[in-house]
Amino acid sequence: GAVVSQHPSWVICKSGTSVKIECRSLDFQATTMFWYRQFPKQSLMLMATSNEGSKATYEQGVEKDKFLINHASLTLSTLTVTSAHPEDSSFYICSARDPGLAGEGYEQYFGPGTRLTVT
Amino acid sequence: GQNIDQPTEMTATEGAIVQINCTYQTSGFNGLFWYQQHAGEAPTFLSYNVLDGLEEKGRFSSFLSRSKGYSYLLLKELQMKDSASYLCAVLDSNYQLIWGAGTKLIIKP
Repeated sequence: GAVVSQHPSWVICKSGTSVKIECRSLDFQATTMFWYRQFPKQSLMLMATSNEGSKATYEQGVEKDKFLINHASLTLSTLTVTSAHPEDSSFYICSARDPGLAGEGYEQYFGPGTRLTVT
Repeated sequence: GQNIDQPTEMTATEGAIVQINCTYQTSGFNGLFWYQQHAGEAPTFLSYNVLDGLEEKGRFSSFLSRSKGYSYLLLKELQMKDSASYLCAVLDSNYQLIWGAGTKLIIKP
């Protein structure tokens, strides 16, 4: 159980275009989803926390107008990178919590990640 | 500030045992997680400790000492597939996960 999918797994786009990444919890309802970015050989960097039906909470230094997050349902959150630039090229990973789990309810289940390359 | 320290890289031999340490200083504590991340892939959950002591799961064990702000992940009977980064993460008083930079474990035959 607790499977999270992410689509697309990789995407190449031109500078100035926008890219949407979807994150879905397949077998549980995720009231909270998280979006991370990871540069090569670096640790995960939390970008924002997404709560179903409300606005996302962004970490300091993350531009909310550039990284649009929508969490319209209990199983789907989307991250849109607007006006992408080469420096936005990174590995974007979403995760979700399953509050229905006993004991380890704060464990995060990760999607497989999306590798974005902006040319 | 909040801080999690773990070694950047470790090397071990196939079949041996390795211990990866993690020390933390966070605003509050609601548990500590260990995740495994293979190159180019997302992290996968290994263990969760919230009480002091050792939790064993097959070849992997995780230990926690809250008074010392210290945890370790113990990997036994190492296999080549254990080559990966191991991430330590602490759940703080706001139930936010604070991540360490990860320890890259290299297994040699």
